[in-house]
Amino acid sequence: GNSVTQMEGPVTLSEEAFLTINCTYTATGYPSLFWYVQYPGEGLQLLLKATKADDKGSNKGFEATYRKETTSFHLEKGSVQVSDSAVYFCALHVNQGGKLIFGQGTELSVKP
Amino acid sequence: EAQVTQNPRYLITVTGKKLTVTCSQNMNHEYMSWYRQDPGLGLRQIYYSMNVEVTDKGDVPEGYKVSRKEKRNFPLILESPSPNQTSLYFCASRRGPNNSPLHFGNGTRLTVT
Repeated sequence: GNSVTQMEGPVTLSEEAFLTINCTYTATGYPSLFWYVQYPGEGLQLLLKATKADDKGSNKGFEATYRKETTSFHLEKGSVQVSDSAVYFCALHVNQGGKLIFGQGTELSVKP
Repeated sequence: EAQVTQNPRYLITVTGKKLTVTCSQNMNHEYMSWYRQDPGLGLRQIYYSMNVEVTDKGDVPEGYKVSRKEKRNFPLILESPSPNQTSLYFCASRRGPNNSPLHFGNGTRLTVT
């Protein structure tokens, strides 16, 4: 079936450190891939997306590349800030019913 | 402002007492969905709706009902809540069943004692 697996958190980094949050997926067909971010007390917001293999999504300094050969969509940022502290969800979209399947979320905590 | 509005934000209730969580969106979206968020499990889809009067089960529909009588509203109904329905609930909407982004409400934290 279709599923998403993220690295477990929490991830704790110092300000300006490099961030990688791993995400791998299994899917039939050609899914679209997403990263959503959830700030404390809020709903999820779309961070970035990629709709086909080798596409790179980017936003607010975050990047992720759709790697079909490794079925991965790892999230990276070169220099994190305290304001990036949040929970990050990797997700894939399958065509049946417009469903979005989420990973379990990775909590990121950035210390000054 | 384009938004998805859920009410209430917090709700504490007792086992068996019927409750409704409301959801409304002002973006004229066809597609709406309910998710529950539990630690270690991410978000799991409860029900979704492709359009008015069209609803379908997600991955964890047991114990829940929904209705879609108007395009903007998609209430979640718990006829007889149980403690295992204690969770954080999110309503979301998008333009259609395609891969356009989901817009989420701010969540409803439900506790069933």
